[in-house]
Amino acid sequence: EDQVTQSPEALRLQEGESSSLNCSYTVSGLRGLFWYRQDPGKGPEFLFTLYSAGEEKEKERLKATLTKKESFLHITAPKPEDSATYLCAVRSDNYGQNFVFGPGTRLSVLP
Amino acid sequence: GAVVSQHPSWVICKSGTSVKIECRSLDFQATTMFWYRQFPKQSLMLMATSNEGSKATYEQGVEKDKFLINHASLTLSTLTVTSAHPEDSSFYICSARARLNTEAFFGQGTRLTVV
Repeated sequence: EDQVTQSPEALRLQEGESSSLNCSYTVSGLRGLFWYRQDPGKGPEFLFTLYSAGEEKEKERLKATLTKKESFLHITAPKPEDSATYLCAVRSDNYGQNFVFGPGTRLSVLP
Repeated sequence: GAVVSQHPSWVICKSGTSVKIECRSLDFQATTMFWYRQFPKQSLMLMATSNEGSKATYEQGVEKDKFLINHASLTLSTLTVTSAHPEDSSFYICSARARLNTEAFFGQGTRLTVV
């Protein structure tokens, strides 16, 4: 059975303090790994899609990387507006056309 | 990114009544739409998957007669919560995907409160 875990569960950073969020997955036949950001009371906002080990994507202060077992979301010099819950999801051969979501990491960036 | 519009953003209804939630893909054709339920401080729980013109596929434990899903066109899916009860109160979110293996885009979510 496909599994997606995320760590840490919650992370508190000072503004400007860079860090990384982890998404570990156990799937058969990865078809894509997706990162989303969710603000309270809103739907998730798409950030990145990664398809193969070694792939990297960047957007402003965020950079996503992928290995055969995990993905990292690196946040460089975060700002308070980066505070949100970050979700990763995978699609695999086992789960048909659906996504398996991780539990998320709640990030708080303090000014 | 592509835009998915979900309406209403919040609704309060009386116990025993039905509520319809709409999910529209505004600038792309969605071959697949997903409906999720989310409890406070928890991740997304998939309720059902629907492909345009086909019956929805429900996840285990989700009552298909209670949560009616219609995906009548490539840009519109609806979720109807029938005979709603207080325990159905939750945050419902839809997402839409254009093609297999690509990302899905989410609506804003609907906060349902049944009183």
